[in-house]
Amino acid sequence: DTAVSQTPKYLVTQMGNDKSIKCEQNLGHDTMYWYKQDSKKFLKIMFSYNNKELIINETVPNRFSPKSPDKAHLNLHINSLELGDSAVYFCASSQNSNQPQHFGDGTRLSIL
Amino acid sequence: QKEVEQDPGPLSVPEGAIVSLNCTYSNSAFQYFMWYRQYSRKGPELLMYTYSSGNKEDGRFTAQVDKSSKYISLFIRDSQPSDSATYLCAMSGSNYQLIWGAGTKLIIKP
Repeated sequence: DTAVSQTPKYLVTQMGNDKSIKCEQNLGHDTMYWYKQDSKKFLKIMFSYNNKELIINETVPNRFSPKSPDKAHLNLHINSLELGDSAVYFCASSQNSNQPQHFGDGTRLSIL
Repeated sequence: QKEVEQDPGPLSVPEGAIVSLNCTYSNSAFQYFMWYRQYSRKGPELLMYTYSSGNKEDGRFTAQVDKSSKYISLFIRDSQPSDSATYLCAMSGSNYQLIWGAGTKLIIKP
């Protein structure tokens, strides 16, 4: 009965590889987000989708591409991984843009 | 200057003490204020959500917003070791895009 679930929990990979992280929410929310949390715990918004439509697209490298096949899923694909991509990536969802967000437990990405 | 400032700590207090966590902000358009708690290796979980100024209480937790001073606080009464976590403030204006503080690491010593 997990509300926001992300897979995988851990991802260790080589520089230059392409990887995807998946996110699903069973809360019936309309809005989903991707955040990056660095080693100092600072949360930075990357993308937000509302009903499968991109509404926030912060300044992130275009190697990062979100995809929302339906409003319950928001996946993140990363091309040509770099050392600086190492971080924890969190997915979140909310009823709509002005409601509090509910988070998954994160995907810990380590680039070797 | 960051839009939201939060002391990263760590803040270490003995069990049973009253804890005060604070954030200051610069954007007077902010009107939605939230406190999240994040345990190690977990996602942030919502503790308190307030709109505009005033106080809100939920069990041992009280959230306070002072818009005139651009200052928000979270008080924890009768603190427990299980309250040890990182506490993040977040806020937004009419565009609803959340701006986050850096988080304060809280340690409650038994």
